[in-house]
Amino acid sequence: NAGVTQTPKFQVLKTGQSMTLQCAQDMNHNSMYWYRQDPGMGLRLIYYSASEGTTDKGEVPNGYNVSRLNKREFSLRLESAAPSQTSVYFCASSARTVLDQPQHFGDGTRLSIL
Amino acid sequence: SQQGEEDPQALSIQEGENATMNCSYKTSINNLQWYRQNSGRGLVHLILIRSNEREKHSGRLRVTLDTSKKSSSLLITASRAADTASYFCATADIDTGGFKTIFGAGTRLFVKA
Repeated sequence: NAGVTQTPKFQVLKTGQSMTLQCAQDMNHNSMYWYRQDPGMGLRLIYYSASEGTTDKGEVPNGYNVSRLNKREFSLRLESAAPSQTSVYFCASSARTVLDQPQHFGDGTRLSIL
Repeated sequence: SQQGEEDPQALSIQEGENATMNCSYKTSINNLQWYRQNSGRGLVHLILIRSNEREKHSGRLRVTLDTSKKSSSLLITASRAADTASYFCATADIDTGGFKTIFGAGTRLFVKA
């Protein structure tokens, strides 16, 4: 049982390059989320998908786009990477809304933008 | 902006001692959750306490919730070196349907063997 799988685990980009972070879950969860974690801070929500076919902005959506490809997969795209987007990115999923269900996290993608 | 704020930011204790971490939040909540993050890994859910509950136990974990003070505490009893990790509280913004989860900055716990 893999849970939430993120690829790649590490990536270095140059400013202006584009990149798609991949996330897949095998728990048949309805909701999926993308967060970023910066040093000394908690996770900040970038985008979420409450269910297949829907996506919504979180706290820090600028500079990112997402696609809920199907129930299993939720990708995060940086169209033109900037140094301020250097961070650790986490994907998570939950069975329904977070009102009553915990979130399950992947192990993160460590992204450096030079 | 961060809603959950943990206190202390860092805590160092000896194995066998108890560790207490506190969390404060700002808005109305449906529930509050605690997560653990080991170095280089994703967050792992520990325990969820609903707004109508005051205390909850899970193994060596004890969580309390005081909605009047908008605060929660996580107690780890008889700590072990394996408990070394960062601990985060998280609340769901019920005004947006609960999908926007707000995490605090975390408490870094170091348990010395």
